[in-house]
Amino acid sequence: QPVLTQSSSASASLGSSVKLTCTLSSGHTDYIIAWHQQQPGKAPRYLMNLEGSGDYNKGSGIPDRFSGSSSGADRYLTISNVQSDDEADYYCETWDATTRVFGGGTQLTV
Amino acid sequence: QVQLVQSGAEVKKPGASVKVSCKASGYTLTTNYLHWVRQAPGQGLEWMGKFNPTDGTTSQAQKFQGRVTMTRDTSTSTVYMELSSLKSEDTAVYYCAREGGSYTGLDYWGQGTLVTISS
Repeated sequence: QPVLTQSSSASASLGSSVKLTCTLSSGHTDYIIAWHQQQPGKAPRYLMNLEGSGDYNKGSGIPDRFSGSSSGADRYLTISNVQSDDEADYYCETWDATTRVFGGGTQLTV
Repeated sequence: QVQLVQSGAEVKKPGASVKVSCKASGYTLTTNYLHWVRQAPGQGLEWMGKFNPTDGTTSQAQKFQGRVTMTRDTSTSTVYMELSSLKSEDTAVYYCAREGGSYTGLDYWGQGTLVTISS
């Protein structure tokens, strides 16, 4: 089954941009992933689906500041004009026919 | 709008079972798989299994096979997850989440249910 690797932490200043990375394991580098945001004390929120081509589809109500891109095994989430509300844990998710897996999450500090 | 509303917090003793409900609204329950994901205190997300509300079939993570039962009541659009033989390590927030469709992530999440295992 696929494995997803994320950095444990990242930081960004208000108004800046930050790019978070999720890396797919060997043999699974063409997989589609999803990004989720989890603010402190809240349930996760779906941000987008992201394909290996770099095409992405965002969930309902997700601001334009959130975008996705891909390069090989890496899937990226870029947050532009970072706001204080963006301080959260960010998880990537992928799946095969029988299972779903999550990355370990990246804690973003603003 | 799509909503998943879960039952309230539970405190259970080791060895007991817990049953968490997830009531769906804003869409037809049988059109999407429903997944269960848990999160231990201070930890990441852990996938437990998925449920097909159309025919009641399930697919579970190997770790939970034999301990998890998923059922539904289509008349109330509610899905249930029962975890048996509880251990202290099962203390976690349990989430239900809707699969958006083929080749799609989990696009709507319940608010979570805290299950605490304590003697």
